[in-house]
Amino acid sequence: AQTVTQSQPEMSVQEAETVTLSCTYDTSENNYYLFWYKQPPSRQMILVIRQEAYKQQNATENRFSVNFQKAAKSFSLKISDSQLGDTAMYFCAFMKAGANSKLTFGKGITLSVRP
Amino acid sequence: KAGVTQTPRYLIKTRGQQVTLSCSPISGHRSVSWYQQTPGQGLQFLFEYFSETQRNKGNFPGRFSGRQFSNSRSEMNVSTLELGDSALYLCASSSAAGFYEQYFGPGTRLTVT
Repeated sequence: AQTVTQSQPEMSVQEAETVTLSCTYDTSENNYYLFWYKQPPSRQMILVIRQEAYKQQNATENRFSVNFQKAAKSFSLKISDSQLGDTAMYFCAFMKAGANSKLTFGKGITLSVRP
Repeated sequence: KAGVTQTPRYLIKTRGQQVTLSCSPISGHRSVSWYQQTPGQGLQFLFEYFSETQRNKGNFPGRFSGRQFSNSRSEMNVSTLELGDSALYLCASSSAAGFYEQYFGPGTRLTVT
């Protein structure tokens, strides 16, 4: 079974600054995907970024980038130039590759961006 | 393209009753997954349907069931509701089973009194 751990329950960052959210996971699988999802107060879950385990290059989506360390089973999210709209819960999630769409989520971290 | 829709958005039920929640995936998507979100347990996978077949099931009691119709719309049913079933129920769709790009609906907030 896979587990995803987000040890920081809350973080706060000043607008325009950079913040890093941590995530570790445990799996015996070699082929899998990792995700960061954002859940704002509206509760709509939004995919922020994904990383395929077979890719060595870290994924980047505009202000969002990841630091994927496969050997260490670490998958952190860096948000650059933080904006007020980034205030939300952020969930790290794991999916085994193959005919299985099950996402395993971490407990989430509440990020507050201060004006 | 319209996103994933879930109905109803809010629901209040009494302990012992049963409830049915509905999810309409993005047009063309054939896989629908359901998740339960609670403050205590976080996000937990309930089940996944693809082409009207349940492909995967989470660790939930048999009171939780689901189905998928030929148009890919899915319903989940919870019988004999318990207070602990109060949660946000999220539905996600993807174009194929095992395809990692999942899109979530806004959720149904169920309150059991």
